[in-house]
Parts: sequence; C-alpha cells; structure tokens
Amino acid sequence: DTGVSQDPRHKITKRGQNVTFRCDPISEHNRLYWYRQTLGQGPEFLTYFQNEAQLEKSRLLSDRFSAERPKGSFSTLEIQRTEQGDSAMYLCASSPLAGDIPGTDTQYFGPGTRLTVL
Amino acid sequence: AQSVTQPDIHITVSEGASLELRCNYSYGATPYLFWYVQSPGQGLQLLLKYFSGDTLVQGIKGFEAEFKRSQSSFNLRKPSVHWSDAAEYFCAVGAGGTSYGKLTFGQGTILTVHP
Repeated sequence: DTGVSQDPRHKITKRGQNVTFRCDPISEHNRLYWYRQTLGQGPEFLTYFQNEAQLEKSRLLSDRFSAERPKGSFSTLEIQRTEQGDSAMYLCASSPLAGDIPGTDTQYFGPGTRLTVL
Repeated sequence: AQSVTQPDIHITVSEGASLELRCNYSYGATPYLFWYVQSPGQGLQLLLKYFSGDTLVQGIKGFEAEFKRSQSSFNLRKPSVHWSDAAEYFCAVGAGGTSYGKLTFGQGTILTVHP
C-alpha cells in the first residue's frame, strides 16, 4: 500500500494560465476527495467522487474548476484562467467504502500540490 | 451547516508536559469527529475518530480525545508530550446523510514543544 500520491508537488503559474493536478488514490479505495488549504486555515472541502461519479461539489468550486475521475481510479483537478486567489495547497484524500456507518470511514490524505499564481 | 472551532491558534509546551487541544463543533445531528495531525511536508494523518459508543477514544501515538455532547467539545489530550509531537493539529466533523464523507475542519492548532 503506497498511499495517496499527488503530482506535481509544486506548481508555479502565471495568472490566466490553466493548470491540472493529478491524484492517485490508494488502490481499491472507492471514494476520492479534493480539499483546498490556504495558509493558516484548515482544509476546505471542494468535491468528492464515489467511483467515477462526482457526488457533491462545494460552492467554493467555481466554474473555472473542474474535477474528473474517468475510470474510478485516478482523478484530475483542473483550474482554468487561474487567479492569484487560487494560490493554495490542494489536497487529495481517498477512503474505502464505509462499513456500517457512512461518513465514519477514514480519509487518507496525500502530500498535496502547492499552487502559486503569480 | 456544520462548523468547527479550535480556539487556540498556537500552543507551546515543554517536553514531558501534558497537553490538551480544544475543539468545539456545531452540528445538528450526532457528529462524527476526527483529529488529524499535519507535519511539514507530510499529508494529514488521522490520530483518532469518534462516531458512537465510549466517549473516550484512544488513538495512535498515545493520544486520546473525549466527546462531551453537553459542551459540544472533542478535546485532544496526551499525558506526556514528545518533541516529535510538534506539528499542526486539526479537528474535523464529518457530515451524515447525503453528504457523508465531507469533512469540515477547524483552522488548526500549531503545537511547539520546548526541550
């Protein structure tokens, strides 16, 4: 079990450019989550997938953000026309299907992708 | 909507001293509560979680937390802190219903350990 991996670990881009991040969850984890963490704050939920279905999106996820999980394995998060306010750490987490009580499953987090928009 | 408050942004303790990190939550139903630790360059790691049963839960690395419904609190404790415990700690509440899996985090408490 190699854990959740994210690529790249760091991304510096100019305002207005598009960026794409990749997340590889733990093998056989059905659920995959994206969070955003800005300096001095806790992670904020963006969206999550169960297999390939995107089940919930936060209002934080503007039209410039899109996430996919095409085959129920890895996921990508794309930000179009980046803005300086998009600078943050983007975290991915995965979890297995819950046991008896949905919502109590442990989310395993990757190391994150730090985005800097100049 | 659920929310989490961690009143202490930064706590400093001496190695070997006891530790208590505070967490207050707001949630309409029975909360699912979590404590995560984040070290520089590392991903968030789960320390412990509570969803039912005994209100005192034991976690990894010698941590424990107590759920107190009357105070809407889920404070994290450790009887003797080690230098390696220096990190940032996050309390989180999980949603139920159709939003299960979504975690709402507090803003975190940075722990500094003096030798």
